Amino acid sequence: AQSVSQHNHHVILSEAASLELGCNYSYGGTVNLFWYVQYPGQHLQLLLKYFSGDPLVKGIKGFEAEFIKSKFSFNLRKPSVQWSDTAEYFCAVNPRNSGNTPLVFGKGTRLSVIA
Amino acid sequence: GAVVSQHPSRVICKSGTSVKIECRSLDFQATTMFWYRQFPKQSLMLMATSNEGSKATYEQGVEKDKFLINHASLTLSTLTVTSAHPEDSSFYICSAKVRTISYEQYFGPGTRLTVT
Repeated sequence: AQSVSQHNHHVILSEAASLELGCNYSYGGTVNLFWYVQYPGQHLQLLLKYFSGDPLVKGIKGFEAEFIKSKFSFNLRKPSVQWSDTAEYFCAVNPRNSGNTPLVFGKGTRLSVIA
Repeated sequence: GAVVSQHPSRVICKSGTSVKIECRSLDFQATTMFWYRQFPKQSLMLMATSNEGSKATYEQGVEKDKFLINHASLTLSTLTVTSAHPEDSSFYICSAKVRTISYEQYFGPGTRLTVT
């Protein structure tokens, strides 16, 4: 069975600091990888996704993530965070050609950006 | 495109009553819909997978007689929490897979259920 690990439960950063949130998955085959964001009181929104090709993917709002196959990792990065980035971030995975297989989520990382 | 709606967004009910939550894909056909439950400050826990016209597949530990799921059409799935109890209070989120793009999964805004 697949699983997703997000190592940081809560990250606190000052505005303009750089961000990196860790995500590792366990699955023997080829996967699709996603990062979702959930702002306070709002629903999940897709930040970025990786299916194939360039392992460095760029998403919305200045976020990017790098797929490192050898490390089973898909870390999320942003060079300079803003207060508005305060939210919960979820890494998710499903097998390539997943058909009806749902996404499996990590436990999430809460990001608090302070002025 | 690919908008998923849920209704109601918030519901408060008394213990012992049943509550129905609707999930609709507004601008696409969803062959598969998923129901998740999210506890405060925790991740999304998959409850069941719902395919149009067939019975839902429930995850281990989820009572199918308590959480009734119906996927009557390609744009509508419903979750009914029967004989609700305070421990059923949670945030319920539906998600739909786009028929023509097999990997995309879009999420509804969620329904906050409070059982008193």
